[in-house]
Amino acid sequence: AQSVTQLGSHVSVSEGALVLLRCNYSSSVPPYLFWYVQYPNQGLQLLLKYTTGATLVKGINGFEAEFKKSETSFHLTKPSAHMSDAAEYFCAVIRYMRFGAGTRLTVKP
Amino acid sequence: SAVISQKPSRDICQRGTSLTIQCQVDSQVTMMFWYRQQPGQSLTLIATANQGSEATYESGFVIDKFPISRPNLTFSTLTVSNMSPEDSSIYLCSTRGGSFADTQYFGPGTRLTVL
Repeated sequence: AQSVTQLGSHVSVSEGALVLLRCNYSSSVPPYLFWYVQYPNQGLQLLLKYTTGATLVKGINGFEAEFKKSETSFHLTKPSAHMSDAAEYFCAVIRYMRFGAGTRLTVKP
Repeated sequence: SAVISQKPSRDICQRGTSLTIQCQVDSQVTMMFWYRQQPGQSLTLIATANQGSEATYESGFVIDKFPISRPNLTFSTLTVSNMSPEDSSIYLCSTRGGSFADTQYFGPGTRLTVL
């Protein structure tokens, strides 16, 4: 069965610190991997995606993620957190319509 | 990209009643999807709605409770029937787009509260 696991339901970082949100997947075929962000009381916004090609993908707002097939991972990173990054982040394997449980990012001043 | 709108954006309903949520896409799309996001949780796929065929429901969801219509390539409705407080959730409409239909887009969601 295909699944998505996000390690850590809540991550807290200081403003300016590195953001690392972890996502692991299981898939019997090459996956389409996505990260979405959901701000309070809003819908889902696509941050970035990996389908084929370059394994390091860059998204909006300075986020990037690297597809590592050997580790079945697609971790999301941002070098320097900003207060406006506080939100819920979801990793998804779209080919199988599966979402991770979500990680709530808190940014401390 | 696909732009998706939903109506209503939110509603408060009494138990035992039904609510129909509308989803409009700004372009013709083959597949439309309905998700539920319960409070503090992730998204769960309810069903896939292709134009011209019956909706396909995921395990745990049935047509009697969540009837779906897909009258054309830009529109779909989801009805939440005989509501109970456990149905209080955000309901999201979604479709695929992009050059190879490899990107999933979401509507803003309908926030439903059942009293």
